[in-house]
Amino acid sequence: QLQLQESGPGLVKPSETLSLTCTVSGASLSSSGYYWGWIRQPPGKGLEWIGSIFYSGSTYYNPSLQSRVTMSVDTSKNQFSLNLSSVTAADTAVYYCARRGPNSGYSYYWGQGTLVTVSS
Amino acid sequence: DIQMTQSPSSVSASVGDRVTITCRASQDISKWLGWYQQKAGKAPKLLISATSILESGVPSRFSGSGSGTDFTLTISSLQPEDYATYYCQQAKSHPLTFGGGTKVEMK
Repeated sequence: QLQLQESGPGLVKPSETLSLTCTVSGASLSSSGYYWGWIRQPPGKGLEWIGSIFYSGSTYYNPSLQSRVTMSVDTSKNQFSLNLSSVTAADTAVYYCARRGPNSGYSYYWGQGTLVTVSS
Repeated sequence: DIQMTQSPSSVSASVGDRVTITCRASQDISKWLGWYQQKAGKAPKLLISATSILESGVPSRFSGSGSGTDFTLTISSLQPEDYATYYCQQAKSHPLTFGGGTKVEMK
């Protein structure tokens, strides 16, 4: 059974970099055909797609965040990561990691989500 | 970017009611539309992909229809466990985008 688990600081200071890791169990990150990604949800608001990464390292980012986002994979640890730089209070959200279906734009498997608050 | 607009933003309904949620895309997305259900404090769950394909384990009271720019999610007979927020998402092109959500509340 595929499981994803987000980890990282729950509190980040304004202007600093938010860093999260998603640990995958039950499947190999290097399985062909799957994109792994991040989606966020500000408190009480809707869902925003941040970006996706293939096991090879190829990425798609949301243009609204592209200048501040970096994603990477570590197949040896079966993990992928999100870095979001120069954060502001507007980046306060629950961050979910997820896996898309094979050659699909839909997220079939999700982590439980982790709340990241940006505050001094 | 493709903008996704859901309506209504909330709906009050009773158990047994038929509930219909609509989603409109700002441009033609063919059949590339999915629906998610999210309960409070939980991650979203994919219910329907490609407009009308019911995912494994999803009750048959859920159905999806539409094409191009206009799509519908229907719950034929609302059950207590269906009170939740529903989101549409287009999978036609990056960036992937979601509708604003529809909260199904108890009447």
